[in-house]
Amino acid sequence: KQEVTQIPAALSVPEGENLVLNCSFTDSAIYNLQWFRQDPGKGLTSLLLIQSSQREQTSGRLNASLDKSSGRSTLYIAASQPGDSATYLCAVTWSGNTPLVFGKGTRLSVIA
Amino acid sequence: DAGVIQSPRHEVTEMGQEVTLRCKPISGHDYLFWYRQTMMRGLELLIYFNNNVPIDDSGMPEDRFSAKMPNASFSTLKIQPSEPRDSAVYFCASTLGTAGNIQYFGAGTRLSVL
Repeated sequence: KQEVTQIPAALSVPEGENLVLNCSFTDSAIYNLQWFRQDPGKGLTSLLLIQSSQREQTSGRLNASLDKSSGRSTLYIAASQPGDSATYLCAVTWSGNTPLVFGKGTRLSVIA
Repeated sequence: DAGVIQSPRHEVTEMGQEVTLRCKPISGHDYLFWYRQTMMRGLELLIYFNNNVPIDDSGMPEDRFSAKMPNASFSTLKIQPSEPRDSAVYFCASTLGTAGNIQYFGAGTRLSVL
């Protein structure tokens, strides 16, 4: 069964710290991987998408890397801010135009 | 485009009642997905459509759940009869098949079955 796992389930850091969120997946033959942000009671906002042929993607203070051989992705957040507090979800597809398989997310709290 | 539009945003109903959730995908998108989010199980696929045709409904939990897509701009997810364990947030997402499977999500419908 194709699964996505995120560890830790929750993380609390002081403002200004750099941090890494982890995502692992079974079956390394992925099509693409996406990182989403979800604020409490809200929908999902796509942050970064990495195609299977790519190693990383960057957007502002966010950098996502992909290591297919080890079945892992990381989301690096630089100089964290209280506004970064949210749940971050990793999602994978193993072929084009198929449903995303989600991890259960990491709930991040950045303390001022 | 206004994005994926879901209605209602919140629904509170009593056990045994029929519930209908609605979704309008982004214009021109040819794939539509229904997901359900619960604390215990996270986000899981219920069903998805391509060009209005259901492709995979293996995630639909029971016969009480049904989904339709009568045209390219509208889909419904119906629960009849509803049960308290159906309480969750239901998300709709759409994508264009040639666009690398970047899925755009609606704001979700928060369903509470009392």
